[in-house]
Formats: sequence, C-alpha cells, structure tokens
Amino acid sequence: NAGVTQTPKFQVLKTGQSMTLQCAQDMNHNSMYWYRQDPGMGLRLIYYSASEGTTDKGEVPNGYNVSRLNKREFSLRLESAAPSQTSVYFCASRDTDQPQHFGDGTRLSIL
Amino acid sequence: EDQVTQSPEALRLQEGESSSLNCSYTVSGLRGLFWYRQDPGKGPEFLFTLYSAGEEKEKERLKATLTKKESFLHITAPKPEDSATYLCGLRLVGSNYKLTFGKGTLLTVNP
Repeated sequence: NAGVTQTPKFQVLKTGQSMTLQCAQDMNHNSMYWYRQDPGMGLRLIYYSASEGTTDKGEVPNGYNVSRLNKREFSLRLESAAPSQTSVYFCASRDTDQPQHFGDGTRLSIL
Repeated sequence: EDQVTQSPEALRLQEGESSSLNCSYTVSGLRGLFWYRQDPGKGPEFLFTLYSAGEEKEKERLKATLTKKESFLHITAPKPEDSATYLCGLRLVGSNYKLTFGKGTLLTVNP
C-alpha cells in the first residue's frame, strides 16, 4: 500500500551535474505529474503524462526532461543542474476524474 | 489570465477558535476545486473536491464550500493536530489533466 514512491528523498548536486529523480505508483493510475515547490511560489507543474506513452510540458519545463517508462514509472531528469533548480520536487498520479495523489517529495539542493 | 489566491498567507489560532481559510479565483472556466493538506516534510494529502457553486463537503472539523468566485475551508474548534499548510488547486476548463495551485495558507493551532 505504498501509493506514490519517490527516490531519492534528499540529494545535493554541484552546478552542471546531471540527475534523474524517480517516481513510481502502485495504484494503476493513468496520469502522472511532476511539480516543484518553492517558498512563496506554491506548487508549479513541470511536466505531466496523461497516459502511458505521452508527455506534455507544464508551467515551468525549461531545464528538465521526463520519461514515462511504463504505466507505473515517470522519471524527471536534470541534464545540467543549476542553482535555480534547488527545490522540493513532488510526483503525483491520478485516475480518470479522481484527485491527484502525491508522493513525499525529493529535496534537491544545487550548489 | 487565470489566477488563484489564497488568504491569509498564515493564520494562528488558539485551540477551539473556529475560523475560515479562503481560496479566491479569476478563471475562464472551472471544472473542479480541490483542497489539500500538507504537513512539513510531506506531500499534499487530498481532502475535498468541489464541482459546482453551492456544494459543501465535510470531514471531521473541516467543511469546504464553493461559490462562483471563491471557496472557503471552515475549521470548527481546531486542535493542534490541524496545524498544516492548506492548499487549493483548480482544474480549469481546457486543462483536463492539470491543476493550478494557490500558494497555500499556513495554519498553526496553539494548545
């Protein structure tokens, strides 16, 4: 009964390094999402996948790429990390006409 | 431009002191409004969905209401364990898969 699982929970990177954030859900949901949450900014959508095999840009996609590996897994990649990408990243999933369920986040610091 | 505003940004209550949080919006069309609770270091946890003006939902000490321009989350006789950040997210017409979030209200309930 894990729901949405994100790994890692914490990460520190140097500017220019690359990294992939992993997300997996065990609820058989069709849609998956990546958000970032910054103080004073709220949750902002980076990318989403309406269904397996599709991905679309959200509000703040620059500097990120995503892969919907299968129905369960949706990864977020930073190719060349920048300090402005220091944030808490949340993955979410949902079924049709249902609310989104969130993971507990990855706290990422870029020095 | 679609806008979602939550007020107040922060609210401090004494245990048992009832109050309300507000989520106001200026959007072209609303498909649904979602309330979430977020504890420190955790992901948002779903509370309620409201779809049409006049609708109300209740859960323990919380009641959510919806008008054409805003939603209220009423907290009756709060307890310290109700302390959290409360987020509202809107599903807009034409954005079937995405939510647009407000910045949240940080509620602190003192014993």
